[in-house]
Amino acid sequence: GAGVSQSPRYKVAKRGQDVALRCDPISGHVSLFWYQQALGQGPEFLTYFQNEAQLDKSGLPSDRFFAERPEGSVSTLKIQRTQQEDSAVYLCASSFLVQGTDTQYFGPGTRLTVL
Amino acid sequence: AQSVTQLGSHVSVSEGALVLLRCNYSSSVPPYLFWYVQYPNQGLQLLLKYTSAATLVKGINGFEAEFKKSETSFHLTKPSAHMSDAAEYFCAVSDQRNTGGFKTIFGAGTRLFVKA
Repeated sequence: GAGVSQSPRYKVAKRGQDVALRCDPISGHVSLFWYQQALGQGPEFLTYFQNEAQLDKSGLPSDRFFAERPEGSVSTLKIQRTQQEDSAVYLCASSFLVQGTDTQYFGPGTRLTVL
Repeated sequence: AQSVTQLGSHVSVSEGALVLLRCNYSSSVPPYLFWYVQYPNQGLQLLLKYTSAATLVKGINGFEAEFKKSETSFHLTKPSAHMSDAAEYFCAVSDQRNTGGFKTIFGAGTRLFVKA
């Protein structure tokens, strides 16, 4: 009955490699968010799903970033041809409903290091 | 566009002293405001939130925050700091999107140090 889980917890990639980061939200949560958190900064919004629909991807920094949630539960964030500036912690959060007042429940994050 | 400013990237207090972490926001509509805490190697967790009901909001672990519209502020306070309060604190604002759902903007965070 756990919270939001993310895998892997740590990922080291060579520049140019593709990576896939997984998020398992809390069961039944409609909304799912991805954030990027650089060292010493707050989380920055990447994209938002309502069930399987990606309603907002305005925060994705480039077309190398792609996210999906095909069955409205598990989500994957894919980064193609990784660059050093992609090094960050990637956070996933889910919430039960779709209201601005909803509490978001965060996973522990995936720390991506691009060499 | 909404934004959040947290004054002071680091705050240090003595154990038992008042904790005050500052947050100012900008929003063109009535905001939904949040404080989240992040302990080392853990995910963010909600401390408290303002959703247009009472302006003084009480949260977990003895924290509270007051929404002041005239000052566009939502400062976080705790009367007496405990060593276990040492963590990173993030203020955030959410708004509903015309496209559906909502978007949350976080401040840069304030790291709280508690001295024995």
